Amino acid sequence: EAQVTQNPRYLITVTGKKLTVTCSQNMNHEYMSWYRQDPGLGLRQIYYSMNVEVTDKGDVPEGYKVSRKEKRNFPLILESPSPNQTSLYFCASTLSPGTGYNEQFFGPGTRLTVL
Amino acid sequence: LAKTTQPISMDSYEGQEVNITCSHNNIATNDYITWYQQFPSQGPRFIIQGYKTKVTNEVASLFIPADRKSSTLSLPRVSLSDTAVYYCLVGDMRAAGNKLTFGGGTRVLVKP
Repeated sequence: EAQVTQNPRYLITVTGKKLTVTCSQNMNHEYMSWYRQDPGLGLRQIYYSMNVEVTDKGDVPEGYKVSRKEKRNFPLILESPSPNQTSLYFCASTLSPGTGYNEQFFGPGTRLTVL
Repeated sequence: LAKTTQPISMDSYEGQEVNITCSHNNIATNDYITWYQQFPSQGPRFIIQGYKTKVTNEVASLFIPADRKSSTLSLPRVSLSDTAVYYCLVGDMRAAGNKLTFGGGTRVLVKP
């Protein structure tokens, strides 16, 4: 089944404790991105990747890192989480940016709480 | 970067047509307009995409005027299960450095 998976789905952690949220897609998509969703603020893009080893900042990159060593994986790293990073996170992928076609497939989400 | 503006919420009744308009005054030449649907605690789901004029699929229609500064998502004969948040997205994934920006979303409530 074609899908985007994220792990963990729920995470409660403490300030300053490094964490990684994994994202994997099995559709051979080139474009992957991370969003956070907060009440009243909608979806905001954190980072995106056009292909392996090609990443760039979205609208709210501060406090996050990403890497794209393999086409299928796009982990989100919080080196020193803070309470303002408490949010619902979504990973998404799309087949090819070459046509401008914007259908993104979203993962199920990761609800992160930083105490 | 094309910013989008949508109504915050809309109410409707089962069987009615729902039209949601999104404003994107500074849309770029290569930008596409895409709409997503999101249910609580789930990831957004693609509904429809267009560049100009009218696009129709089995779920919705998308109307884009010639100047492309706005677009209207039309949901025919809605049911209770269409209650969701609908997002308008404008962007071009081909452009390196392009940030995709979702609008604030429109919360659609379908009443019996």
